[in-house]
Amino acid sequence: QVQLQQWGAGLVQPSETLSLTCAVYGGSFSGYYWTWIRQPPGKGLEWMGEINDSGSASYSSSLKSRLTLSVDRSQNHVSVSLTSVTAADTAIYFCARESAYCAGGGCSTHLDFWGQGALVTVSS
Amino acid sequence: DILMTQSPSSLSASVGDRVTITCRASQSIRTSLNWYQQKPGKAPNLLIYGESTLHTGVPSRFSGSGSGTEFTLTISNLQPEDFATYYCQQSFEAPGAFGQGTKVELK
Repeated sequence: QVQLQQWGAGLVQPSETLSLTCAVYGGSFSGYYWTWIRQPPGKGLEWMGEINDSGSASYSSSLKSRLTLSVDRSQNHVSVSLTSVTAADTAIYFCARESAYCAGGGCSTHLDFWGQGALVTVSS
Repeated sequence: DILMTQSPSSLSASVGDRVTITCRASQSIRTSLNWYQQKPGKAPNLLIYGESTLHTGVPSRFSGSGSGTEFTLTISNLQPEDFATYYCQQSFEAPGAFGQGTKVELK
């Protein structure tokens, strides 16, 4: 069974860099995209970005200037780094596996396995 | 970027009710539409992908329909464990935007 385990600093100072890592256990790391999603307390889900095992990434337009995703294929890890954080970046951060589904001549993707989530608070 | 709009933002229902949630895309996403269920303090769980395909283990009382820009999640015979927040997500192109969520509460 695929499991995603996340860790990282739970408290980050304003203007500093938020960093989280997501480890993938029990399944293949290659052949998938790995997605980061965040959720401010009491609010909805925000797609942040995705990256595959080769390092090809796409980013949210609103976060692109501050966001970097990376992969470590040797350890089956995916990491997120968000610079110059403010209180607005306080959220639960999730990593998720993106699986592809093809039917009727077309393909789409969905997030079928999720990490447990990590609350990151931006505060001095 | 594609914008996803969900309605209603919340609804009250009773056990046994039929519940319908709508999701609209700002442009055609064909059938690249997923639905997730989230309970408090937990990560979302995939319910339906590709507009209408039930994820493994999801009860058949959940169903999805639609194409293009308008989609529907239906829960027939609402059960106590179904009280949660539901999100749609488009996967037609990056960024894979989510709808704002619909909270299903007990009447």
